[in-house]
Amino acid sequence: NAGVTQTPKFQVLKTGQSMTLQCAQDMNHNSMYWYRQDPGMGLRLIYYSASEGTTDKGEVPNGYNVSRLNKREFSLRLESAAPSQTSVYFCASSEGGLAGRETQYFGPGTRLTVL
Amino acid sequence: AQSVTQLDSHVSVSEGTPVLLRCNYSSSYSPSLFWYVQHPNKGLQLLLKYTSAATLVKGINGFEAEFKKSETSFHLTKPSAHMSDAAEYFCVVRVTGGFKTIFGAGTRLFVKA
Repeated sequence: NAGVTQTPKFQVLKTGQSMTLQCAQDMNHNSMYWYRQDPGMGLRLIYYSASEGTTDKGEVPNGYNVSRLNKREFSLRLESAAPSQTSVYFCASSEGGLAGRETQYFGPGTRLTVL
Repeated sequence: AQSVTQLDSHVSVSEGTPVLLRCNYSSSYSPSLFWYVQHPNKGLQLLLKYTSAATLVKGINGFEAEFKKSETSFHLTKPSAHMSDAAEYFCVVRVTGGFKTIFGAGTRLFVKA
């Protein structure tokens, strides 16, 4: 039982390049999330997927797209990377259906640098 | 609108002394409140959560927090710090019934031998 896994662990991009961050969970959770973590700002929600087939914007969605590929997988895409997107990205999942009270389980993070 | 304020960016304690990490929140609706811990270069782990049951919540590793609605606070405490407690701690609010999650800026806890 691996929990939440993310690939890659590290990535360096040049401005304007694109890439997709992958996330998978094996806990049969309904809801999945993408966050970014910047120094002194805690984590900020980029997008979430309440259930398979649905996605919604979070606090900072600009410059990102997501795909809920199936119940297990939730990917985050940067179409044209910018230096402001240099950050650590965390994926999380939760059971869903408990009206916000459920625990979120986090992956180990992807450290992205955009030059 | 919801917001979370962690009142200290850094807290330093000696091993064996009490820990207090302060968190105030603002929420228009009934909130769920969480404390997560992040060790260096790791993901986040849940310490404890308040979801409208008992106001004093016990978590893992001897941590506990008390929900005080009148003070809009959810401070995290531990009677005796261990070296292994050195990490960053995040207070989190979610509106009951919603998915949006608001994190505080974090408090870094240092534990001196």
